[in-house]
Amino acid sequence: EAQLVESGGGLVQPGGSLRLSCAASGFTFTQYWMTWVRLTPGKGLEWVANVNPDGNERYYADAVRGRFSMARDNGKNSLRLQMNSLRVEDTALYFCVRDGTHCRDTTCYDLWGQGTLVTVSS
Amino acid sequence: DIQMTQSPSSLSASVGDRVTITCRASQSINNFLTWYQHQPGEVPKLLIYTASTLQSGVPSRFSGSGSGTYFSLTIDGLQPEDFGTYYCQYSKTPLIFGGGTKVEIK
Repeated sequence: EAQLVESGGGLVQPGGSLRLSCAASGFTFTQYWMTWVRLTPGKGLEWVANVNPDGNERYYADAVRGRFSMARDNGKNSLRLQMNSLRVEDTALYFCVRDGTHCRDTTCYDLWGQGTLVTVSS
Repeated sequence: DIQMTQSPSSLSASVGDRVTITCRASQSINNFLTWYQHQPGEVPKLLIYTASTLQSGVPSRFSGSGSGTYFSLTIDGLQPEDFGTYYCQYSKTPLIFGGGTKVEIK
């Protein structure tokens, strides 16, 4: 069964750093774009970043560009999201998400992890 | 930047009702529009992609329509299990989500 499992969330002070990880299993990881999406009570769902199957193309939302860095390890079927200079507004549930290949060259998230909670507070 | 605006922000409807949620893009996005359902304690679920294509396994009471700047998601015969928040998303970079529509069952 295809599965994504996130880890690494926690409480961090503003300005601090955190690294999230995502372990993928049950599918051919190297065939998929992968994405981080976050959920906040006030703003709902927000796309954070994504990476192509080879790992050499990465894109970021304006709100996190320059502070977050996404990478993948295809040998270990894993993703990571390095989050630096964290702000209170980065507080959210962070989901690791698979971008389905069946949606006709558009984005559709067909597999989600359970999420890992990041809280930025002093 | 493209903005995605959903309306209403919340609604309450009875089982069996026909419910329509709209999503407007600030500029034309062709049919690059995806719909998700999110229920509390669950992960978001893909419902519809390319504005009107039903994801495999999604009940046929869900349908999507629209192109350009105006889109809608319709639930034809609301069921108790359809509560939750529905999001539209522009399915090309910058992959903007709408603000969500919370659906409650009366």
